Amino acid sequence: QSALTQPASVSGSPGQSITISCTGSSSDVGLYNLVSWHQQHPGKAPKLMIYEVTKRPSGVSNRFSGSKSGHTASLTISGLQAEDEADYYCCSYAGTNTPFVFGTGTKVTVL
Amino acid sequence: QITLKESGPTLVKPTQTLTLTCTFSGFSLSTSGMAVGWIRQPPGKAPEWLALIFWDDDKRYSPSLKSRLTITKDTSKNQVVLTMTTMDPVDTATYYCARTTTWAFDYWGQGTLVTVSS
Repeated sequence: QSALTQPASVSGSPGQSITISCTGSSSDVGLYNLVSWHQQHPGKAPKLMIYEVTKRPSGVSNRFSGSKSGHTASLTISGLQAEDEADYYCCSYAGTNTPFVFGTGTKVTVL
Repeated sequence: QITLKESGPTLVKPTQTLTLTCTFSGFSLSTSGMAVGWIRQPPGKAPEWLALIFWDDDKRYSPSLKSRLTITKDTSKNQVVLTMTTMDPVDTATYYCARTTTWAFDYWGQGTLVTVSS
């Protein structure tokens, strides 16, 4: 099972919106609506931001939203803030034998 | 409040076996639908899923590491243990345990850095 493909970096100015893509295949992202997104600040554990493609856990800002089209899932951060600067990883269910496959990661920079 | 915490050696020698323990609180691994997984993250790289154990003792392993991994649980102690044999310097990483109920890891431990070096 190959890692999901994400852009290495995305940047935006405060207040802007940015979108991070996560491209998989017909065996993972394209087959299941079980994509999650994690935010990771340096030296910290990942934090769940989105699950089941579009759902936000309690306490996560509504500035974070998820979507999916075909084999590609996306995370959109609107009203970009300095605290959003972090690494973001997507993750998808990929079947019974390999339940989880992570993305390559995207570094978000707030200009 | 749900918490998880990893414990184990910070340094292991090549060829040795690594044993990590995840001690959790705030939920029970005997609850239907509950699972705890192990994920590792080499310095500067993306996370990699390793293993998963379900409430009913069903287990899943990363195909690429399956021959080296064993995951077990002790429900009475609220612990999940991961063993990885034949450690190599490329296995140097921060190892995390995390809970999942919806095919997403919703609570993570703080992680423990394991260095493989002679």
